[in-house]
Amino acid sequence: NAGVTQTPKFQVLKTGQSMTLQCAQDMNHEYMSWYRQDPGMGLRLIHYSVGAGITDQGEVPNGYNVSRSTTEDFPLRLLSAAPSQTSVYFCASSYRGLAGYEQFFGPGTRLTVL
Amino acid sequence: TQLLEQSPQFLSIQEGENLTVYCNSSSVFSSLQWYRQEPGEGPVLLVTVVTGGEVKKLKRLTFQFGDARKDSSLHITAAQPGDTGLYLCAGARAGGTSYGKLTFGQGTILTVHP
Repeated sequence: NAGVTQTPKFQVLKTGQSMTLQCAQDMNHEYMSWYRQDPGMGLRLIHYSVGAGITDQGEVPNGYNVSRSTTEDFPLRLLSAAPSQTSVYFCASSYRGLAGYEQFFGPGTRLTVL
Repeated sequence: TQLLEQSPQFLSIQEGENLTVYCNSSSVFSSLQWYRQEPGEGPVLLVTVVTGGEVKKLKRLTFQFGDARKDSSLHITAAQPGDTGLYLCAGARAGGTSYGKLTFGQGTILTVHP
């Protein structure tokens, strides 16, 4: 199993450009999430999905869109990139184990917006 | 306002020393998780605690969940250079939706010198 994969690994955008960060998982997990990680802020939830066709907003959703057409894929779209969106983005998939939801994270995408 | 306050933010110690990282909140959590993250990679789950007062051990790491389920601690005995990394606590809010959305602390950067 590849686990959670993310592409690209690095990306540089100009202000106003749009792009899609890709995320895929092969563990058949129902739940998937997108987080951003900024220095001193931990990870903040952007959007999440509890299954194909179902998405909801997290803590910091503005400027981002998601869709979940399949169990495996959960892309994150930046509509019009801004310097404030410079961050490291992590996708995670999770399932409900005996001890609660266990999350598996991808390797991250480092995004710089100029 | 950070829902989960982690302390200290930075910890630099010598090999063989003991250390404790704290994760505190005024909110009650149904479960609390600890992750370890290495540079350029996503967080990896270490442990989940779900019962107030619960103590879990993972080799030299001891995790404790507070009796009121508002706080947690991670204690490392005889730290080794391989323990170096970013440690994150994350809580699933009690009484939330069926999907346990996680709230992360700011993280503790641990450096263990040989």
